[in-house]
Amino acid sequence: AQRVTQPEKLLSVFKGAPVELKCNYSYSGSPELFWYVQYSRQRLQLLLRHISRESIKGFTADLNKGETSFHLKKPFAQEEDSAMYYCALRGLTGGGNKLTFGTGTQLKVEL
Amino acid sequence: DADVTQTPRNRITKTGKRIMLECSQTKGHDRMYWYRQDPGLGLRLIYYSFDVKDINKGEISDGYSVSRQAQAKFSLSLESAIPNQTALYFCATSDGGQGLETQYFGPGTRLLVL
Repeated sequence: AQRVTQPEKLLSVFKGAPVELKCNYSYSGSPELFWYVQYSRQRLQLLLRHISRESIKGFTADLNKGETSFHLKKPFAQEEDSAMYYCALRGLTGGGNKLTFGTGTQLKVEL
Repeated sequence: DADVTQTPRNRITKTGKRIMLECSQTKGHDRMYWYRQDPGLGLRLIYYSFDVKDINKGEISDGYSVSRQAQAKFSLSLESAIPNQTALYFCATSDGGQGLETQYFGPGTRLLVL
C-alpha cells in the first residue's frame, strides 16, 4: 500500500521567512514524488516533481529515501505563495501507476 | 486549463436521486481520473481509466460508477446519492510516462446531497 502524510493542515509564515512544507511517504518500491498546488480560485496544478530536480517559483524539494520524505522548501516566502499544497506519490508496482495524494497543507503568507 | 472541462459546476440533489457528472478533455490524453476532495482528507481517487476499454476502481469506488464513452469523455455516476457524497469532485487527465507524468485537473464540481 502507498501512503502520503502531510502533518500540518495549516502553516502560517511571514513574508520573507523560510518555508518548509513537510511530506512523508510509505511505499515499498521506488516512488515518484510530486508537489501539486491549488491557488485561490484556480485549478490544482503540478508544481514540481522529484525526478526533474528543478526549482519552480523558488521552491525545491529533495527526495530523501532514508527518511522517506519529500519536503517542499523555499528560502523566502512571498505573498503569492499562499495556497493549498498537496504532496503526491506515484507507485510503479502494484499501484496501477495512480497518484496517491496527501491531505494537503494550507500555506498562508502574512505581511 | 480550459482543456479539461466539467459539467455541471455546481449541483444540489436529494438523497436517492441518480446524478451524473461529466468530464471532457481536448488534450488527447488516454488516462482519465475522478477524485473527490473533502476538508481534511485531501483528494481521494474514485475511479480511473487508462484507455477507452479500461476501467479501474480507486480507493473509494463504493456508491459510484463510471463510463468512458470516448477517449475525451469520462462520466461519473451516483446511482443513489447519499448525504456523505457531498463533496468537491475533480476530473483529471494525464499523459502517462514514467517520471514525466503530469495530471491536469478540471475546475471541479461542487455537489450537495440533501
